[in-house]
Amino acid sequence: SQKIEQNSEALNIQEGKTATLTCNYTNYSPAYLQWYRQDPGRGPVFLLLIRENEKEKRKERLKVTFDTTLKQSLFHITASQPADSATYLCALPGDTGGFKTIFGAGTRLFVKA
Amino acid sequence: NAGVTQTPKFRVLKTGQSMTLLCAQDMNHEYMYWYRQDPGMGLRLIHYSVGEGTTAKGEVPDGYNVSRLKKQNFLLGLESAAPSQTSVYFCASSWRTRANNEQFFGPGTRLTVL
Repeated sequence: SQKIEQNSEALNIQEGKTATLTCNYTNYSPAYLQWYRQDPGRGPVFLLLIRENEKEKRKERLKVTFDTTLKQSLFHITASQPADSATYLCALPGDTGGFKTIFGAGTRLFVKA
Repeated sequence: NAGVTQTPKFRVLKTGQSMTLLCAQDMNHEYMYWYRQDPGMGLRLIHYSVGEGTTAKGEVPDGYNVSRLKKQNFLLGLESAAPSQTSVYFCASSWRTRANNEQFFGPGTRLTVL
């Protein structure tokens, strides 16, 4: 079955630096990959989607890469701010249909001022 | 628009009690989902619905039932609560077809079963 792995250890970085989060997956060749943000006590919020034929996608200070050979996506936040502190979830479509999604456990990011 | 709302926000049950979690969305989405989120684990799909009057099992359906009598509402029921069902429950909804397949989540219900 499909498996998504995200670094379970929290990532601590200094304000202004670039944060890089990793999402690895196995037993799967997804047509796209999504990233969500989750703040404590709240539901996840969609950030970006990248398709298998796209190597890189940007949205403001966010950049996502998708390497289908390595089965890996990297999520970058440039010029990070304390307000970027949250848990970031990687998500892939379920193999039985695009309306089902499989989520990683997420990586907690702390940005220190 | 309120988006996706969930009631209640918190609930404490004793083992064997029953309850219903209510999810409502005002975006006219066709698809609705119930997930549970436990520490160190990703969101796990309990049940989902692709339209009014239809439901299907997800990854962890045992001990739960659902109903979707109206397009905007999706109910999750626990007939006989067990401590293993202590979790945070999230409802989500999405359009049937959209370029980014974005799911919209509610604020969650924190359930404790003693």
